[in-house]
Amino acid sequence: DSGVTQTPKHLITATGQRVTLRCSPRSGDLSVYWYQQSLDQGLQFLIQYYNGEERAKGNILERFSAQQFPDLHSELNLSSLELGDSALYFCASSASGTGGTGELFFGEGSRLTVL
Amino acid sequence: DQQVKQNSPSLSVQEGRISILNCDYTNSMFDYFLWYKKYPAEGPTFLISISSIKDKNEDGRFTVFLNKSAKHLSLHIVPSQPGDSAVYFCAALDGGNTPLVFGKGTRLSVIA
Repeated sequence: DSGVTQTPKHLITATGQRVTLRCSPRSGDLSVYWYQQSLDQGLQFLIQYYNGEERAKGNILERFSAQQFPDLHSELNLSSLELGDSALYFCASSASGTGGTGELFFGEGSRLTVL
Repeated sequence: DQQVKQNSPSLSVQEGRISILNCDYTNSMFDYFLWYKKYPAEGPTFLISISSIKDKNEDGRFTVFLNKSAKHLSLHIVPSQPGDSAVYFCAALDGGNTPLVFGKGTRLSVIA
């Protein structure tokens, strides 16, 4: 158990809809990262928050947004969903905000299926 | 543009033999490299890492080798065990300036 909690584990929705994925980091970790894993793709970095503020941005679509709340949990909002958004979405946390030694602790992921 | 490449999508090895997983990178600013292991229905977990100032790091059955001139690293698992069957991701960091960059992964199957 990594200590990172993601909900929901599975989500099926239709094109055009909006969903919210939730992540609770390990106790004491200030950084939250969101990664997307599509079929046959590696883990694509989407966005990082550190102590409530956006720290780094990757290949995140404009239809996607995220935030980190004062209690350090994070939410990833995906809107106007398309078939190609079907993927595993991982949340990870770390104590450091600057990458440190790079060790991230991952949740089990949220599998999104868009029909 | 893939900065971290794992060109073998899958690898099959007999139990007890050596497994060698390879990874190439293009960004010369990368200075820290990690391997993560992922089982089905679980998130990736950290396995082993190496700093660019070293060329080898060993942890039990797992050894990572780094060849900076070739921009290549490899993970050796000796001896391989059925429980090692998983997807292995290579990842790299450029001094903490950006979050981890991952490869696409290699699925290792260890056959008993």
